[in-house]
Amino acid sequence: DAGVIQSPRHEVTEMGQEVTLRCKPISGHNSLFWYRQTMMRGLELLIYFNNNVPIDDSGMPEDRFSAKMPNASFSTLKIQPSEPRDSAVYFCASRGAREGPNEQFFGPGTRLTVL
Amino acid sequence: GNSVTQMEGPVTLSEEAFLTINCTYTATGYPSLFWYVQYPGEGLQLLLKATKADDKGSNKGFEATYRKETTSFHLEKGSVQVSDSAVYFCALSALGYQKVTFGTGTKLQVIP
Repeated sequence: DAGVIQSPRHEVTEMGQEVTLRCKPISGHNSLFWYRQTMMRGLELLIYFNNNVPIDDSGMPEDRFSAKMPNASFSTLKIQPSEPRDSAVYFCASRGAREGPNEQFFGPGTRLTVL
Repeated sequence: GNSVTQMEGPVTLSEEAFLTINCTYTATGYPSLFWYVQYPGEGLQLLLKATKADDKGSNKGFEATYRKETTSFHLEKGSVQVSDSAVYFCALSALGYQKVTFGTGTKLQVIP
């Protein structure tokens, strides 16, 4: 099992540019979560999907952030336009219907730096 | 709402020392409780879990007991190793909810 795959692992961009982060969940998992981690705010849930449908996006900081899950094996998190305060590590996690109580499997993260 | 409070870090211990990382929670009903570990440069991994009162979760020498009366889930290990250096997150999930509420994390550094 390849685990949750995220790309890119590192992204450096300039303020105002569009950034797209990608996630491939574990095959067969039906829930997908996007988190952001910073020193100041810790680990924050941005949005999660169940069966490709967004269930709760209350953690998305503002309209500059959007997430999609066009199929069960792929999700994107887009920031447009990016700002320096978006610099963080972004994690994707997935969960299968038959996993233990809410056991989530995390990807390695994408470290985003916005200059 | 649900919340998790865990002790501030960093915690620095010598190899073979005893480890305790405190965690208390607030939740309605009977949540499931978790400890996740994050090694440098990696994502979070589930370390152990407990789903009901008095359950003890254990893995890799780490243990935590679900204490409903004190709403706590403290993480313990009898003898830490340098390889245990990581950030440890306490977390909970309310019954029937997909979301997991994480604590702020406690960084553990074990020195030889």
